[in-house]
Amino acid sequence: AQTVTQSQPEMSVQEAETVTLSCTYDTSESDYYLFWYKQPPSRQMILVIRQEAYKQQNATENRFSVNFQKAAKSFSLKISDSQLGDAAMYFCAYRRSGGGADGLTFGKGTHLIIQP
Amino acid sequence: DAGITQSPRYKITETGRQVTLMCHQTWSHSYMFWYRQDLGHGLRLIYYSAAADITDKGEVPDGYVVSRSKTENFPLTLESATRSQTSVYFCASKSDTKAFFGQGTRLTVV
Repeated sequence: AQTVTQSQPEMSVQEAETVTLSCTYDTSESDYYLFWYKQPPSRQMILVIRQEAYKQQNATENRFSVNFQKAAKSFSLKISDSQLGDAAMYFCAYRRSGGGADGLTFGKGTHLIIQP
Repeated sequence: DAGITQSPRYKITETGRQVTLMCHQTWSHSYMFWYRQDLGHGLRLIYYSAAADITDKGEVPDGYVVSRSKTENFPLTLESATRSQTSVYFCASKSDTKAFFGQGTRLTVV
């Protein structure tokens, strides 16, 4: 079974600075997807960024980027120029490709605090 | 409006009662999912469905029942609610590349 581990229950960063959230995963599959989701106090699950395992290039979405290390099974999220609106729970998630009915496997989450 | 909606948003029920959480999507996605979110556990998959009348168990299915008679609806039933089922429940549907989540239902079993 796949597992996703987020080792940082809580992180704090000053506004405008850069923060990196860690995620490691375990799988025997060679082709899969990795995701970062943001969950603000509203409870809504918001997709931040998506990475396909067969792509070597790290995904980037504006201030959000990932460092995907396939051999190390590591998938960290970097948030640049942190803003107050970035404060939320962040979940790393995994899904194998090819299995359309497969759900997402989530980590336990990292609570990100932005200090003004 | 297109999207995925859950109802109710909040529910309090008593131990032993049956309760059904509703989920409706407007995209006609084949795949739908139910997750529960608990402190310290993240989201865990309860049940999923690949199409109407096709459902299967996820990681934590005990105590839950699902049905999918229509593509757009995927209700989750707790047949006899227990306090351990107090949680936030999320429904999701999936296109080829992306999952879409409902707003969640906070269920409290007293």
